[in-house]
Amino acid sequence: AQKVTQAQTEISVVEKEDVTLDCVYETRDTTYYLFWYKQPPSGELVFLIRRNSFDEQNEISGRYSWNFQKSTSSFNFTITASQVVDSAVYFCALSEVHPAGGTSYGKLTFGQGTILTVHP
Amino acid sequence: SAVISQKPSRDICQRGTSLTIQCQVDSQVTMMFWYRQQPGQSLTLIATANQGSEATYESGFVIDKFPISRPNLTFSTLTVSNMSPEDSSIYLCSVLGTGGYEQYFGPGTRLTVT
Repeated sequence: AQKVTQAQTEISVVEKEDVTLDCVYETRDTTYYLFWYKQPPSGELVFLIRRNSFDEQNEISGRYSWNFQKSTSSFNFTITASQVVDSAVYFCALSEVHPAGGTSYGKLTFGQGTILTVHP
Repeated sequence: SAVISQKPSRDICQRGTSLTIQCQVDSQVTMMFWYRQQPGQSLTLIATANQGSEATYESGFVIDKFPISRPNLTFSTLTVSNMSPEDSSIYLCSVLGTGGYEQYFGPGTRLTVT
């Protein structure tokens, strides 16, 4: 069975600080997808990134960066120079890969989420 | 990306009644998914809805409680039947993007059962 653990329940930082959100996963599959989503107070789930288990390159998008380490089953998310608008719940999720097409099954296993509060 | 809309956005219902939630996507998609997010909790998959076949339910969810329809490739409904306060949750519709890699979620339906 798949499992995603986000050990940090809540994180509070002051604006402009860097913050890293941890995500550790468990799966027996050799191929899988990992996701990060942001859920602001309004409630919608905003897609941030998808990572294929074969691709261990770190990725940077603006102030966001992701560190995928297959050896430790971790997919951590760092926000550089945090802003008040970054305040939200962040979810890490894991998906199986369809053996025929290599696409996601669409059945995501989510972590419990990390509540990030950025104070001005 | 896919644009997903849900109706209603929120509702307050009395126990014992039923509510049908609609999900509309701006493009044709093969697979649609319904998730539940209980207050302060993570998201849990309820079922997968494929057009032309019965929905596939995850462990702990049954068709009698959460009947799903999928009449075409852009629309689905989820009904929460015989509601109790424990059904108070956000219900989210989700689809796989073109190519089957990115996954998008609707804005959610916030249900409160009194």
